[in-house]
Amino acid sequence: EVQLLESGGDLVQPGGSLRLSCAASGLSFSSYAMTWVRQAPAKGLEWVSAIGSHGRGLYYADSVKGRFTISRDNSNNMVWLQMNSLRAEDTALYYCAAGSDTDPLDFWGQGTLVTVSS
Amino acid sequence: QAGLTQPPSVSKGLGQTATLTCTGNSNDVGDRGAVWLQHHQGHPPKLLSDRHNNRPSGISERFSASRSGNTASLTITGLQPEDEADYYCSAWESRLEVRVFGGGTKLTVL
Repeated sequence: EVQLLESGGDLVQPGGSLRLSCAASGLSFSSYAMTWVRQAPAKGLEWVSAIGSHGRGLYYADSVKGRFTISRDNSNNMVWLQMNSLRAEDTALYYCAAGSDTDPLDFWGQGTLVTVSS
Repeated sequence: QAGLTQPPSVSKGLGQTATLTCTGNSNDVGDRGAVWLQHHQGHPPKLLSDRHNNRPSGISERFSASRSGNTASLTITGLQPEDEADYYCSAWESRLEVRVFGGGTKLTVL
């Protein structure tokens, strides 16, 4: 059974930084693309970033480009989202998802909550 | 990054059929198709259909996806109370190399 467990969400002040983690199990991790998707309060799903299988390709939404960095460690089945220069509009529930490079949203974690507020 | 277009809400009766639409362009839906997700609040989204319109294991046959040109559709037959949820489509935008989502459709089962 595939399991994705996000962590690292917290309350942070505007301009601050946070690092989200996603621990994966039950899959051949290096063969899977990993994606971060967020949902702000009372809003729809928004794609944030993705990293291809075997680390091929890094992709970012315009809204986070230059502020967020996605990375992965295939030895430890982990993916991270380093979030810098956080803004109030980054407040959201952040989900980690896994799938193939062409269908990357097969499996989802429960999410971790990020709140950016002073 | 423009998103995909979905109707904000659809209401249908118990046992009826609902068809949800998702309109993009030739660089996203029209190029590589769209996936469909079901989202009950308080739970993670669930994949209903991949971009080839195939259902993952465990997804009811009542859910079927299709595509015509730049528009993807999700048809849900024999509506049940548990089908009441938000439904999202998503596609890869090949020119910009980003993933786009629709705004979501809230399905109400009367």
